[in-house]
Amino acid sequence: EAGVTQSPTHLIKTRGQQATLRCSPISGHTSVYWYQQALGLGLQFLLWYDEGEERNRGNFPPRFSGRQFPNYSSELNVNALELEDSALYLCASSLISAGPGYTFGSGTRLTVV
Amino acid sequence: GIQVEQSPPDLILQEGANSTLRCNFSDSVNNLQWFHQNPWGQLINLFYIPSGTKQNGRLSATTVATERYSLLYISSSQTTDSGVYFCAVMMKTSYDKVIFGPGTSLSVIP
Repeated sequence: EAGVTQSPTHLIKTRGQQATLRCSPISGHTSVYWYQQALGLGLQFLLWYDEGEERNRGNFPPRFSGRQFPNYSSELNVNALELEDSALYLCASSLISAGPGYTFGSGTRLTVV
Repeated sequence: GIQVEQSPPDLILQEGANSTLRCNFSDSVNNLQWFHQNPWGQLINLFYIPSGTKQNGRLSATTVATERYSLLYISSSQTTDSGVYFCAVMMKTSYDKVIFGPGTSLSVIP
């Protein structure tokens, strides 16, 4: 069974640009979660998508947004990049009806210069 | 909101030694997971353990939900065990997000 896949692995952007990160959940999983892990900090909850809808978001500005597609894959968009957006962005998927429990992807390391 | 604490924050072990990592949480939870984040950043699920005891090779975990703590045991540690260990809890009332503890950074030296 393929795990959660994220792309790209690394991304370098200039301050003010936009970044798009992608996540494909485990087959059959309908929920996708996004987390930010800045250097030296813990995992901060960003967004939760389930069945194509945004269900909840963490304490992040509106320039962090995303969507979930009919095949349950997801995109995270970060507009007007700031230096402090440099972080590891992790995606996880789960199947709520099967009970709680996350499986994480390998992450996208975003560097803003 | 629910608070999750982990101890110790940092741990250095000689290869072959045993260790116990602790996770305390402040409220009733529906789920608790232990993750290992390797040096490349990937989070690997170790245990899904809302209660009871589980073992997987050299690792085992025990959660005592009524006393709001969980323990992760690492026996005969290896250098590949190095990384950060996170416990993460999900409250009974929602699936919308998982609260991660601050992690225990483990270094196993040869």
